Amino acid sequence: EVQLVESGGGLVKPGGSLRLSCAASGFTFTNAWMSWVRQAPGKGLEWVGRIKNKNDGGTTDYAVPVKGRFIISRDDSTNMQYLQMNSLKTEDSAIYYCTTVVWVGYSDYWGQGTLVTVSS
Amino acid sequence: DILMTQSPSSLAASVGDRVTITCRASRTISSSLHWYQQKPGKAPKLLIYAASSFQSGVPSRFSGSGSGTDFTLTISSLQPEDFATYYCQQTYNTPYTFGQGTNLEIK
Repeated sequence: EVQLVESGGGLVKPGGSLRLSCAASGFTFTNAWMSWVRQAPGKGLEWVGRIKNKNDGGTTDYAVPVKGRFIISRDDSTNMQYLQMNSLKTEDSAIYYCTTVVWVGYSDYWGQGTLVTVSS
Repeated sequence: DILMTQSPSSLAASVGDRVTITCRASRTISSSLHWYQQKPGKAPKLLIYAASSFQSGVPSRFSGSGSGTDFTLTISSLQPEDFATYYCQQTYNTPYTFGQGTNLEIK
């Protein structure tokens, strides 16, 4: 059974940093593309970014609002995906979901999400 | 970025109704269009991928169609568990983008 478990959310001040983690199990993580999707309170879904598997280059892509501030990484030895969030803004407050990504881009499995609140 | 526009934004319907939600892309995305269902307090769930292919376990009352810029999600006979918010997503180009969502409510 595929499981994705996010952690690391919490309250952080504007301008601060936070690192989210996603523990993956139940599938061959090394082969998987992974992504982060967020949802501000009461709002719709927003794609944050994606990381390919190492075989496909391990490259990343990001949404415009987070490009240059957020970094997605992975550790295939521990089946973990990470989202390093820097220079946080109040508009980054959201539930952040970790997802697996089929190569054509859609998210087939989702974690339960972790809440990030950016507030002074 | 490719802009995805869903209509309607909200919809009230009754159990047994046939419902159609549309999604329009700001430029052609071939069949790189996917549909998700989200219930309150839960993570989204993939329903349809590549415009018309069923995710495993999705009831056959859900169907998707379209290509290019115009797509539809149809629920043939609404069931109580179908009342939720539905999102389309394009993955033709990064950044991948979602529609704003359609909130399907009980009439």
